[in-house]
Parts: sequence; structure tokens; C-alpha cells
Amino acid sequence: DVKVTQSSRYLVKRTGEKVFLECVQDMDHENMFWYRQDPGLGLRLIYFSYDVKMKEKGDIPEGYSVSREKKERFSLILESASTNQTSMYLCASGSLNEQYFGPGTRLTVT
Amino acid sequence: AQSVTQLDSHVSVSEGTPVLLRCNYSSSYSPSLFWYVQHPNKGLQLLLKYTSAATLVKGINGFEAEFKKSETSFHLTKPSAHMSDAAEYFCVVRGPPTTSGTYKYIFGTGTRLKVLA
Repeated sequence: DVKVTQSSRYLVKRTGEKVFLECVQDMDHENMFWYRQDPGLGLRLIYFSYDVKMKEKGDIPEGYSVSREKKERFSLILESASTNQTSMYLCASGSLNEQYFGPGTRLTVT
Repeated sequence: AQSVTQLDSHVSVSEGTPVLLRCNYSSSYSPSLFWYVQHPNKGLQLLLKYTSAATLVKGINGFEAEFKKSETSFHLTKPSAHMSDAAEYFCVVRGPPTTSGTYKYIFGTGTRLKVLA
């Protein structure tokens, strides 16, 4: 079974803090993705990575950065957290026509 | 550009009755389409996918979807709803290749299915 794990299920941070969300996959997938999920908006792509140290911006990259130093690990970084970044963050890995999702991290920024 | 529209944000059905969740897509070429399900406090799980083979696609848990090019639709159906089907469902279209040759996936806004006892 493919497994995608995320470091935290729930996280509470203060405005201005630097926040790291970690994602690890065990299927040797080239591609990894970070989405945020908000009610009524579905999932929106923040960043994705197609290889170690390679990344591309998604549809809403502002305020975020990513790091992929190893194939199995993809990190999302909020450089200076703001209240409008309160959301559910979902990581996925996969190949063509297949994506596997982690359980999500619910981030609250106060 | 690729996009999907889920026509209903909420659907309620009685247990044992048919389920229909509607999705229309827009694509400048032959699309790859998916349905995902998200149960409360869980990650998304792939239900089924269409990738230009048979137009009627069968998925897990008795769900199926029919690709209709003339109607640009990919509606999800199930003959008889079960209480465990209560969840949020997302219709997804695969986008064009990016500069790196990777594909992005464009999600609909979701349909929340409620199953009444």
C-alpha cells in the first residue's frame, strides 16, 4: 500500500512565525504536490516537485516556498504565517494518472 | 484551458436510492478525468479514472462514471446509496503538461453527499 504521511494532523501557529509542513512518501514517486483545501473552493495547488531539488509553482504560490532535498520528502514552508493561511494542507505523491494523498494538516494561524 | 464544474455543492439521498453527482468539464483536448472521495477527517482516495479507454468506468464501492464527450460531462453514479457513502466527492481533470513535462490536476469545488436513513 502506498503511504503518504504528513508530520502533523493539527498545528496552531502565531502570525509571523515560520512554519514547516513535512510530507513523506514511500513509493519512490517522482512527483509530489502541496494543496490547500478551503470550504467551497476545493483543492488548490500551491507547489509541486517533479524531481529532487526541482519545483514548479502551482496556482497559489504566494506566501509559500517548498524544499525537496530527498526524493521521498517534500516540505512546505510558510515564511511568515498570516491568518489567511489558516487552512487544511494536503500533500500528494504520484505518477501519471494517479495521486495518493496524505491525511492532511489543519493549520490555524492566530 | 482545463476546468471542471461540479453542479451541486450538496446532494441528499435516502439510503438504498440512486446517487448522481454531476460534473462538467472543459478541455482543449481529450481529457483524463477522475473522481476522488474524502471521508470526514481522512485524505482523498481515488474512486475511478477515465483515460481515453472505455467511456463507462467502474470504480470502487459500486461507483461508476460515464464519459460523454458530446455533453462534456463525467457524472458519478451509484445504484443504491449506503450510509458509508456520506462524504465529499471531487471531480478532477488533468491539466496540460507543464514546462517540466509534469501534469497538474484541476479540482472541482466538491459535492458533499448526505445519506439519510
